[in-house]
Amino acid sequence: RKEVEQDPGPFNVPEGATVAFNCTYSNSASQSFFWYRQDCRKEPKLLMSVYSSGNEDGRFTAQLNRASQYISLLIRDSKLSDSATYLCVVNPPNQGGKLIFGQGTELSVKP
Amino acid sequence: DTGVSQDPRHKITKRGQNVTFRCDPISEHNRLYWYRQTLGQGPEFLTYFQNEAQLEKSRLLSDRFSAERPKGSFSTLEIQRTEQGDSAMYLCASSLPYTGSEGNTIYFGEGSWLTVV
Repeated sequence: RKEVEQDPGPFNVPEGATVAFNCTYSNSASQSFFWYRQDCRKEPKLLMSVYSSGNEDGRFTAQLNRASQYISLLIRDSKLSDSATYLCVVNPPNQGGKLIFGQGTELSVKP
Repeated sequence: DTGVSQDPRHKITKRGQNVTFRCDPISEHNRLYWYRQTLGQGPEFLTYFQNEAQLEKSRLLSDRFSAERPKGSFSTLEIQRTEQGDSAMYLCASSLPYTGSEGNTIYFGEGSWLTVV
């Protein structure tokens, strides 16, 4: 089983749609969780951290369910500029801050 | 620009040749990471340094791969006797010291694209 699993997509949605991405992780003791965004042929960039209580940043909402080892990202009112690959990222315990990435979920927002 | 910088950005090499990539981290970051990414996959961890000490190496890092960070600042990743399967984007990242009690945000460079022909 992979340490971090995501649905690779692609997700094709119209502008203004709400889209949700899910991610599961295998190590129940993992401490920290993130979503990174990666544009085509560019480096990954931090989108947001994921906190136990859930957190929101504008149109983006991240949720963590430790019992189910599940992380989600919700994008509301999607824009053309949201088209990218979204990487679910986990910081496993006792590994010195190393981050483990999922394979990414591709999002394409169409006009 | 005070971000992570990588050089060269693109490298095309013949199979069997050696290549070296350089990474300059954000200046106050003492941790430096190397990842590899192929098409359709997320970044895969290769190795990381805390200052000049190499603390972990992935099983992905075969004997043909070596990474150094001699003075705890810039790092190099060398691939000897390149194979076509080495074609990928090699990403360097850096971060502040890991405290263990909070998220470890790492910042990536733009990557070095390697094509082995």
